[in-house]
Amino acid sequence: ETGVTQTPRHLVMGMTNKKSLKCEQHLGHNAMYWYKQSAKKPLELMFVYSLEERVENNSVPSRFSPECPNSSHLFLHLHTLQPEDSALYLCASSQAVTSLREYFGAGTRLSVL
Amino acid sequence: AQKITQTQPGMFVQEKEAVTLDCTYDTSDPSYGLFWYKQPSSGEMIFLIYQGSYDQQNATEGRYSLNFQKARKSANLVISASQLGDSAMYFCAMRGSGAGSYQLTFGKGTKLSVIP
Repeated sequence: ETGVTQTPRHLVMGMTNKKSLKCEQHLGHNAMYWYKQSAKKPLELMFVYSLEERVENNSVPSRFSPECPNSSHLFLHLHTLQPEDSALYLCASSQAVTSLREYFGAGTRLSVL
Repeated sequence: AQKITQTQPGMFVQEKEAVTLDCTYDTSDPSYGLFWYKQPSSGEMIFLIYQGSYDQQNATEGRYSLNFQKARKSANLVISASQLGDSAMYFCAMRGSGAGSYQLTFGKGTKLSVIP
């Protein structure tokens, strides 16, 4: 148990659906991250939030919309996804964006049909 | 730009033997941090070990040690006395000191299988 909880663990959605991934951290951290892990590709950083402000957006398509209502919660809203968006989506947190160590959740396995 | 290269897609090791997982990196940052993470089939990324670029000694954490060779830009992970529970994906990652240094750059990973 790392203190970072992601729900749901598995999600199947059609290309016209709208869904949201949720991440919650119980570590009192100020920074939160979304990563995408596709098969046979390195982990890709998608978004970084520091104190609820987005500080990094790595050219992610607008069909992915993050939301950070407070420092403990991070959401990833999904709409009109493509089959190539099927991947493992990992959330992480750290004490600050400059901290050396990130704590990862178990991920949400997303399949887009 | 930073880059991590892990050239071993898969490795096998006999239980109780030691194994080395290779990692080379490329960066223009004057200082940086190197990390190894373990990802079991459950999907969670588990932090194993950290090495700072200016650390004088190689990092060790229990059965994990990092063989850091700065001139060769390599940061290999050594696991001693392998256990069945070590079977997992292993990722090497780095974070630089330049602008946007909060971005962790990961390699593609090495799948380690421990044989009884």
